[in-house]
Amino acid sequence: KNQVEQSPQSLIILEGKNCTLQCNYTVSPFSNLRWYKQDTGRGPVSLTIMTFSENTKSNGRYTATLDADTKQSSLHITASQLSDSASYICVVSAGYSSASKIIFGSGTRLSIRP
Amino acid sequence: NAGVTQTPKFQVLKTGQSMTLQCAQDMNHNSMYWYRQDPGMGLRLIYYSASEGTTDKGEVPNGYNVSRLNKREFSLRLESAAPSQTSVYFCASTRQTGGGAEVNEQFFGPGTRLTVL
Repeated sequence: KNQVEQSPQSLIILEGKNCTLQCNYTVSPFSNLRWYKQDTGRGPVSLTIMTFSENTKSNGRYTATLDADTKQSSLHITASQLSDSASYICVVSAGYSSASKIIFGSGTRLSIRP
Repeated sequence: NAGVTQTPKFQVLKTGQSMTLQCAQDMNHNSMYWYRQDPGMGLRLIYYSASEGTTDKGEVPNGYNVSRLNKREFSLRLESAAPSQTSVYFCASTRQTGGGAEVNEQFFGPGTRLTVL
């Protein structure tokens, strides 16, 4: 069964600190993996997209890594800011031909404290 | 360029009432999607439209119908609302279905928060 699991479910850190969010997936055949940021009351917004051949991708203070062998991804946030408070969703696409093969994790809710 | 827009933003219905959620995109995307998001769960696909004139069921289609009115607009209808349909509904679009990662990037609307009493 195609699944995407994220950990932790929630995380609280102090402003300026770094953190790492985890994503494990069992999706086949793997096409790509994306990390989204979802602010409260808003729709998800894409942060990074990685294909099988990519093992790291950065977007400002956000760096995503992908280990296709262990089927794990992480999102590292550097020097956190209050505006980073949001849910972060890992999304894995299986295959190339069907919209129904996009699997969403349940997200990690990150809270940044001043 | 507004991206993906949804109306209404909030709605309260009584059990058995019907309503239509509207979605429009101005990015000339071919594919559009309807998801629901419930607490503690990932987004679940209700219906999608790979291209104008086609629609297909997703993971949780029961109780819903859709219409791809034209390339820009994709509506979701609840014919007889039930409390189990209380959720946040998101519309999304992509340039196309299939192909590489970049053309499959999904752009989401702001969501419709629906409560069924």
